Amino acid sequence: DGGITQSPKYLFRKEGQNVTLSCEQNLNHDAMYWYRQDPGQGLRLIYYSQIVNDFQKGDIAEGYSVSREKKESFPLTVTSAQKNPTAFYLCASSTLPPGLAGGNEQFFGPGTRLTVL
Amino acid sequence: GDSVTQMEGPVTLSEEAFLTINCTYTATGYPSLFWYVQYPGEGLQLLLKATKADDKGSNKGFEATYRKETTSFHLEKGSVQVSDSAVYFCALSSPSGKLIFGQGTELSVKP
Repeated sequence: DGGITQSPKYLFRKEGQNVTLSCEQNLNHDAMYWYRQDPGQGLRLIYYSQIVNDFQKGDIAEGYSVSREKKESFPLTVTSAQKNPTAFYLCASSTLPPGLAGGNEQFFGPGTRLTVL
Repeated sequence: GDSVTQMEGPVTLSEEAFLTINCTYTATGYPSLFWYVQYPGEGLQLLLKATKADDKGSNKGFEATYRKETTSFHLEKGSVQVSDSAVYFCALSSPSGKLIFGQGTELSVKP
């Protein structure tokens, strides 16, 4: 089955630690995205990537970092510089690179819930 | 900049009631419009979409029509079920290709 997997489902972090959230897709999609979801605030874009070895900051990139070494993988690191990291993190992918016509439908993974202890 | 505004929730309905969740947008150009659904503890699933004015998206009994004149994309369903309880997000595709989401509307359907 094609799809997007995220791991772990639940993650606990002590203050001052960096943690990395995994996102893998086997849909052969070019573009991948990371969102943060907080209660009552919808989704906010952290980073996105159109092609391997290239990525752009979204609306709330501070305190986060990403890499795109393979088309299938787009891991997100939450660094100690992120002051309020407790949230639900969603990874998504799409067939079209941003900017092209056709809808830009995004497919989402099941999410990772990060809690800072 | 581009934005999406949804009616605030939670919306509580009895089973078999008619559902409307309002969504209006502000955008340059001609964006594509989407409705996503999120069940508790899960990621988002695409419910329906429309890529140009007057298009009607439909799926699982839900419908929404792309109204350029009123900049709206309201979600409707004629008879809701308990299993429709979820959070619904309206979104548009911005010129940069990114999706802009509304804040989400929680729907609770009681038996």
